[in-house]
Amino acid sequence: NAGVTQTPKFRVLKTGQSMTLLCAQDMNHEYMYWYRQDPGMGLRLIHYSVGEGTTAKGEVPDGYNVSRLKKQNFLLGLESAAPSQTSVYFCASTIHPQTGPSSYEQYFGPGTRLTVT
Amino acid sequence: AQKITQTQPGMFVQEKEAVTLDCTYDTSDPSYGLFWYKQPSSGEMIFLIYQGSYDQQNATEGRYSLNFQKARKSANLVISASQLGDSAMYFCAMRDYGGSGTYKYIFGTGTRLKVLA
Repeated sequence: NAGVTQTPKFRVLKTGQSMTLLCAQDMNHEYMYWYRQDPGMGLRLIHYSVGEGTTAKGEVPDGYNVSRLKKQNFLLGLESAAPSQTSVYFCASTIHPQTGPSSYEQYFGPGTRLTVT
Repeated sequence: AQKITQTQPGMFVQEKEAVTLDCTYDTSDPSYGLFWYKQPSSGEMIFLIYQGSYDQQNATEGRYSLNFQKARKSANLVISASQLGDSAMYFCAMRDYGGSGTYKYIFGTGTRLKVLA
């Protein structure tokens, strides 16, 4: 059971280049999330998905696109990278959260450190 | 708007002493969940403890307890008998209803805890 994995772990891009970050989970989770972590700003939600074929915008979606073609994978794309997108990117997943006693905590991947020069 | 506030950017505590990390939240949804995560210097996100909005008792997990004061909208983390390995960044988070049957998780900016020998 690998949990949540992210590919790649590190990447350096030049301004204007594009790339795709891959998140994969093997826990059959419905929900998947992409966050960015910047110093002093905590984790900010970029996009999320509540099931295969669905995506929704989070707090900071501009400059990013996502796709969830398969339940286990959630892709984050940067079409034209900018230095402001230098950050650590975390993917997370959870089963379908509902009200009730269960916690439905998020399971996080190890993160991808992206530098845009 | 939903919000998590952590007002302590950094904290120091002597080894074996207890420490309280503050977290306040804001939501209009009567059903929500509150979480604490630990992020050591290695970068991974570790789930520590959960409190549901309808839970009558404060959550406890080993040396971690959550001081839940619903009327004051606070969910402080208490770490008893601090250990050197507790030195890390700590994030408070809230699961909140995102509309249309979906759920989002909102994070605070974090508190960096340093345990002194």
